[in-house]
Amino acid sequence: EVQLLESGGGLVQPGGSLRLSCAASGFTFSSYAMSWVRQAPGKGLEWVSVISGSGFSTYYADSVKGRFTISSDSFKNTLYLQMNSLRAEDTALYYCAKDRGAVVPAALDYWGQGILVTVSS
Amino acid sequence: QSALTQPASVSGSPGQSITISCTGTSSDVGGFNYVSWYQQHPGKAPKLMIYDVSNRPSGVSNRFSGSKSGNTASLTISGLQAEDEADYHCCSYTSSSTLIFGGGTKLTVL
Repeated sequence: EVQLLESGGGLVQPGGSLRLSCAASGFTFSSYAMSWVRQAPGKGLEWVSVISGSGFSTYYADSVKGRFTISSDSFKNTLYLQMNSLRAEDTALYYCAKDRGAVVPAALDYWGQGILVTVSS
Repeated sequence: QSALTQPASVSGSPGQSITISCTGTSSDVGGFNYVSWYQQHPGKAPKLMIYDVSNRPSGVSNRFSGSKSGNTASLTISGLQAEDEADYHCCSYTSSSTLIFGGGTKLTVL
């Protein structure tokens, strides 16, 4: 059974940093691309970033480029999102999600339950 | 890049069919067959309902179907049931190797 468990969220001041983690199990982690998707309160889904199964390719939404860094550790089966220079508009529930494919982000077939990030002074 | 365009809300009676549209550009919906649809009940994580425009994952009811014409993709739900009431989000791969979502559509079963 595929399981994705996010951690590391919380309250942070504007300009601060936070690192999210997503522990994966139930599938061969290095064989699939992994994405982070966020949802601001009462809003729609916003794709944030993807990393290929190999870890060699990463892509970001324009809204987070230069501030967020996605990475993965295939030995620990864990996905990460390092978030720097946080802004109020980054406040959201952050989901990690497994892709059906290994390289290009195409369809997200398994999702975690989400972790809340609140950016506020 | 702007979000894909979906109607904010749609409604239908039990047993009826509804269609939700998702309009993008030639750089996303129109350029690739990587359109997916997600169902999200309140307080829950999204669930994949359709991938690659028209394919259903194992376990998803065949009442859900997807299609695409030009820059517009569509999700059709036939034989509406009360449990179908949820938010529906479309998503497309883009020419920048990213994903882009629609704004989401709230489906109300009357």
